[in-house]
Amino acid sequence: QVQLQESGPGLVKPSGTLSLTCVVSGGSISGNNWWSWVRQAPGKGLEWIGEIYHSGTTNYSPSLKSRVTISFGTSKNHFSLKLTSVTAADTAVYYCARYSNFIRRFDFWGQGTLVTVSS
Amino acid sequence: NFVLTQPHFVSESPGKTVTISCTGSSGNISRNYVQWYQQRPGSAPTNVIYEDNKRASGVPDRFSGSIDTSSNSASLTISGLKTEDEADYYCQSYDGSSRMFGGGTKLTVL
Repeated sequence: QVQLQESGPGLVKPSGTLSLTCVVSGGSISGNNWWSWVRQAPGKGLEWIGEIYHSGTTNYSPSLKSRVTISFGTSKNHFSLKLTSVTAADTAVYYCARYSNFIRRFDFWGQGTLVTVSS
Repeated sequence: NFVLTQPHFVSESPGKTVTISCTGSSGNISRNYVQWYQQRPGSAPTNVIYEDNKRASGVPDRFSGSIDTSSNSASLTISGLKTEDEADYYCQSYDGSSRMFGGGTKLTVL
């Protein structure tokens, strides 16, 4: 059973950079899957941020593309999210998730981590 | 940008049937598969329907998905409603290299 776990600072200052890591266990990052980030502002809906394939190919939400970078770590059992120039509007629960290209759905999710942007 | 629109709220009584719609902003919604996720407060979403109408493992057959090309919309239907079905429901699809979610529908079972 694949498991994902997010980690990172829970508080980021305005204009700073939000950095999160997702550790993948119980399965390989290789395979026909996209490794994704999804966020949810308090009381709001789900917003897709972007994804990375094991080849390193990335796709980003058009609305966040200029501020987002998703990459793999050196050990390649984890992937990371960087979001620059954050504002209070970036306050959200951030989830990492696996998107299966085979079944075409988000089939495994992390528990989510709350990141608050505040001075 | 392809946008998915859902009603904000729906409510129905236990034992009844409810349908949640998800309307595509343009084009043909049947061009790409639609998925549905259930999210309970404080928890990550879980998939209930994938590829328009397939039930995820462990999801009861009270849940079903469909596509209506005439209205360019997808639907999630839950029959024999139970109080445990009360949750937020999100449709999700993709357009080229982008994924997108609908705005979500809060289902109240009262």
